[in-house]
Amino acid sequence: QKEVEQNSGPLSVPEGAIASLNCTYSDRVSQSFFWYRQYSGKSPELIMSIYSNGDKEDGRFTAQLNKASQYVSLLIRDSQPSDSATYLCAVLLTGTASKLTFGTGTRLQVTL
Amino acid sequence: GAVVSQHPSWVICKSGTSVKIECRSLDFQATTMFWYRQFPKQSLMLMATSNEGSKATYEQGVEKDKFLINHASLTLSTLTVTSAHPEDSSFYICSARPGAYEQYFGPGTRLTVT
Repeated sequence: QKEVEQNSGPLSVPEGAIASLNCTYSDRVSQSFFWYRQYSGKSPELIMSIYSNGDKEDGRFTAQLNKASQYVSLLIRDSQPSDSATYLCAVLLTGTASKLTFGTGTRLQVTL
Repeated sequence: GAVVSQHPSWVICKSGTSVKIECRSLDFQATTMFWYRQFPKQSLMLMATSNEGSKATYEQGVEKDKFLINHASLTLSTLTVTSAHPEDSSFYICSARPGAYEQYFGPGTRLTVT
């Protein structure tokens, strides 16, 4: 079982719709979770961090964390073509000397 | 968010030469920096953790004598690819944390070895 799992996609959503990106992780004790956006040919950009169960909203982005289910998700409201990118879920796993563990990423395509 | 810079943004070198890549934290101090490599259409791969004032910690399978890391100050880490070969051509990205958790990436350096 991979430590951090994401569906590779592509996930295709029409402009204006809600994009829902999902991530599961294996370490029940993990406390810190992150979403990064990576455009093709560019480096990852941190867009959300979440540490507590529930929802955290920042503009059009909402991160949701359910530690009991070991599940973290990212919702993008009013999706725009500029949101088309690969979204990486990252988890700070316990016992990994503070190293982030990344999922393989979900490619999001927002269509006109 | 915190700002991490890298220099150069791209470099072309001949096989057998060495290339140095700099990573700087511009608005915070970083006792720890991380070096990643990413091949086209593949995931980020952590190469090593750079520790200020001490030796870097390399991931399994990464040759420490080929990828030399120096973390000379709280704002600067360098990665030197020694005796580069075409298979070392990749996108090299550094990152750092201003605090305990959130990690910010530099813009990356694209290395092409001819």
